[in-house]
Amino acid sequence: QTVVTQEPSFSVSPGGTVTLTCGLSSGSVTTSHYPSWYQLTPGQAPRTLISNTDTRSSRIPDRFSGSILGNKAALTITGAQADDESDYYCVVYMGGGIWVFGGGTKVTVL
Amino acid sequence: EVQLVESGGGLVQPGGSLRLSCAASGVTLSAYNINWVRQAPGKGLEWVSYISSVTPSHIYYADSVKGRFTISRDNAKNSVYLQINSLRAEDTAIYYCANSYGTGWHYFESWGRGTLVTVSS
Repeated sequence: QTVVTQEPSFSVSPGGTVTLTCGLSSGSVTTSHYPSWYQLTPGQAPRTLISNTDTRSSRIPDRFSGSILGNKAALTITGAQADDESDYYCVVYMGGGIWVFGGGTKVTVL
Repeated sequence: EVQLVESGGGLVQPGGSLRLSCAASGVTLSAYNINWVRQAPGKGLEWVSYISSVTPSHIYYADSVKGRFTISRDNAKNSVYLQINSLRAEDTAIYYCANSYGTGWHYFESWGRGTLVTVSS
């Protein structure tokens, strides 16, 4: 069974840039996997950031951007702010009506 | 943006059953595909199930719940349900519903705040 991989944690300074990645245990993430990204903060509903690789959801600041970097999907936060400190999850569509989430990345802003 | 509300969670003994509901206010839920996603304590998100808006519905399950979970919808009640049977400790999680529609079928557009299921004796 394919595993979706994410870095467990990242630390970024306020105003800094961080790139989170989303890969596959076997093969490459491509646009055909329709990778999307979500922010999860305890006690709140998950927030949709990016869909279909690089489409920013409404009301999401433009400091969040999505792309394909090499063989992985990527979420870049440019100009990190304190309230970006959260857990970030990618999910990929594996075909056949099946989605698989990555293990999540905990981002600390300090 | 669609506002989704989950309900039906609670404390249940191993082997028991629960029916979770996903409702929406102000919109017709039948127009949307609905997914269930869960997060176990201290763990990441896990996609659980999908039901399409079209009739007859296309339905899919994660391998971890296949045979024990059943997703359905009642358009007259504007709700989607997740029947969860033969509950195990590892099913303890917050269960979220999330919608998708049209050309955006491949991602989860709006989410509810979740309902907590605790499986314990």
